[in-house]
Amino acid sequence: DTEVTQTPKHLVMGMTNKKSLKCEQHMGHRAMYWYKQKAKKPPELMFVYSYEKLSINESVPSRFSPECPNSSLLNLHLHALQPEDSALYLCASSQGLAGKDTQYFGPGTRLTVL
Amino acid sequence: QKEVEQDPGPLSVPEGAIVSLNCTYSNSAFQYFMWYRQYSRKGPELLMYTYSSGNKEDGRFTAQVDKSSKYISLFIRDSQPSDSATYLCAMSGMDSNYQLIWGAGTKLIIKP
Repeated sequence: DTEVTQTPKHLVMGMTNKKSLKCEQHMGHRAMYWYKQKAKKPPELMFVYSYEKLSINESVPSRFSPECPNSSLLNLHLHALQPEDSALYLCASSQGLAGKDTQYFGPGTRLTVL
Repeated sequence: QKEVEQDPGPLSVPEGAIVSLNCTYSNSAFQYFMWYRQYSRKGPELLMYTYSSGNKEDGRFTAQVDKSSKYISLFIRDSQPSDSATYLCAMSGMDSNYQLIWGAGTKLIIKP
């Protein structure tokens, strides 16, 4: 089973709302990732968790707040977003470091900020 | 100059044709090479993973890596309309802290 699940599939929120994106994997992977993908662009790395600790934060604005409650779950908390944050948000996981270990992606959450 | 160059297309071919998709890169330290397929509004799906140089075959798909030329390819034989998607190359190595460096993605259209 190489499945990464994400909820919700779609999310529409206003600029003053607080919402969360959820990601889950049961492959025993120890690295989990959040990416942002705009239309016709490749995924853009936001955060990396390794062994439940934040190891990479690619200078993402503080209105995005990641959380890794356990080795299977990854959340992305959203607050005071801007319309330009509208994008497909992808979660991924790998056994260890990306590159050495294959990275598997979830289906994504399509976020629209009004 | 981008680290990974990939023609965004679109590339349109008739059903049954052999498709060739390519990426070039500039960083000789890249060691791991991947091809992902992404359907519209879906997450990327790993198709092929190759370490260092050489060929790898999986069904109708063949991945080639030529490190001396810094060039990777994905061939699709007997292409089907269901192969219509965006194909993204990605690579990594010690210099990228093993994080994926992506090509722009090539949009492929297979005409019935």
